[in-house]
Amino acid sequence: AQKVTQAQTEISVVEKEDVTLDCVYETRDTTYYLFWYKQPPSGELVFLIRRNSFDEQNEISGRYSWNFQKSTSSFNFTITASQVVDSAVYFCALSEARNFNKFYFGSGTKLNVKP
Amino acid sequence: NAGVTQTPKFQVLKTGQSMTLQCAQDMNHEYMSWYRQDPGMGLRLIHYSVGAGITDQGEVPNGYNVSRSTTEDFPLRLLSAAPSQTSVYFCASSPGGAKNEQYFGPGTRLTVT
Repeated sequence: AQKVTQAQTEISVVEKEDVTLDCVYETRDTTYYLFWYKQPPSGELVFLIRRNSFDEQNEISGRYSWNFQKSTSSFNFTITASQVVDSAVYFCALSEARNFNKFYFGSGTKLNVKP
Repeated sequence: NAGVTQTPKFQVLKTGQSMTLQCAQDMNHEYMSWYRQDPGMGLRLIHYSVGAGITDQGEVPNGYNVSRSTTEDFPLRLLSAAPSQTSVYFCASSPGGAKNEQYFGPGTRLTVT
C-alpha cells in the first residue's frame, strides 16, 4: 500500500489564485516526519518544510502555509496569491521512527500557474 | 559549500554495460541515499547509508550496488544496465537525527538503449 498519496496529478491556476496541494499519508508509527519538496522545471529538488508527528501546529512562511491534521492523516500545502515562479512539481514525503533515513515519497502534484 | 554533487549529468548506455554514478557531499552528513525518479511515480529509494562502511537496501535495490568507504562519497553502480533502468537518479544527504531533511544533488539523467 502506498504510504504517501498525492491524488492531484496536475493543477492549473491563474496567477494570484490560492491553491492547496493535498497529501495523505499512512503509517503505524506514532513518531514520524512529514516533508514537502519543490521540483521546479530546472529539475533540482528543494526542501520546503519538515514537520514531526508531535507538532500539529500549522506553519506559515510567507505565501506558503501547511496544515497538518493527524485525525485525517493529512499534511496539506497552501500557496496564497500564487505566482508564475510557483510552477513546479511538489512532492510530499514521510519518514518513520523505525528508520528515519528511509523516505517514502508521493507521486507528486504538478502545479501550473498561468499569468 | 558545494553541497551534494553528482556526475555525470547525462549518460547513455547500451543494454548490458556497467557504469558508476558518482555522488559526493561536503557537509559532513552521516546519511546518504540514492533515489530514482520515474514519471508518475515520485522518487523511490534504491540504497542508503547511515555512515562509512554501512549500507542498506531501499525499495528498489535490484540491479544496483553501493559502497561507502568515506563519509563524503556514495557511488551507485549499475552492474548490467537494462532499459528499465532509464530514469533520473538523485543522490541525497542529511545530517540525521532530529534534522533528517534530505538535501538533493542536481540529478543524473540516464538512458539505457
